Amino acid sequence: EVQLLESGGGLVQPGGSLRLSCAASGFTFSNYGMTWVRQAPGKGLEWVSSITYSGGSTYYADSVKGRFTISRDNSKNTLYLQMNSLRAEDTAVYHCAKITAAGTTDWGQGTLVTVSS
Amino acid sequence: QPVLTQSSSASASLGSSVKLTCTLSSGHSGYIIAWHQQQPGKAPRYLMKVEGSGNYNKGSGVPDRFSGSSSGADRYFTISNLQSEDEADYHCETWNSDTRVFGGGTKLTVL
Repeated sequence: EVQLLESGGGLVQPGGSLRLSCAASGFTFSNYGMTWVRQAPGKGLEWVSSITYSGGSTYYADSVKGRFTISRDNSKNTLYLQMNSLRAEDTAVYHCAKITAAGTTDWGQGTLVTVSS
Repeated sequence: QPVLTQSSSASASLGSSVKLTCTLSSGHSGYIIAWHQQQPGKAPRYLMKVEGSGNYNKGSGVPDRFSGSSSGADRYFTISNLQSEDEADYHCETWNSDTRVFGGGTKLTVL
């Protein structure tokens, strides 16, 4: 069974930084691309960033480009999202997810990031 | 990049059928989409992918009552014999080589 467990969320002031982690199990992590998707309170899903299976290519939504960095450690089966220069509009639940040719097929429960003074 | 359009809400009676629509933007009518269900307070759950041909492939454990279809730029998700637990938000998703896109989601109410 695929399990994705996010951590690292919390309350941070505008302009601050946070690093999210996602521990993966139940599948061969190094064979799959991974993604971060966020959901602001009461809003829909918004794609944030993706990374290929090897980590060789990364992709970002325009809203986070230059501020967020996605990475992975295949030896630790862990996905990361480094978030810098955080803004109030980054407040959301951040989900990590596994991606395949069929779409985003497995989701974590998410971790809440609140950006507020 | 593609844009996905969904109605913000839909409703149907217990035991009936409902068909939700996700429309791809101009120039992207051939894209594959995925449907996800999000019950209140829970993480999204992958349901199926739907191709432009109308073929669909469901995820593990997805009920037989759930199906997909397609017509032009529209991708559909149909629930038959609607149950109370089907009340949820339904999101569609598409992607290309460097971008993933979600529709705004449809809130389904079971009457």
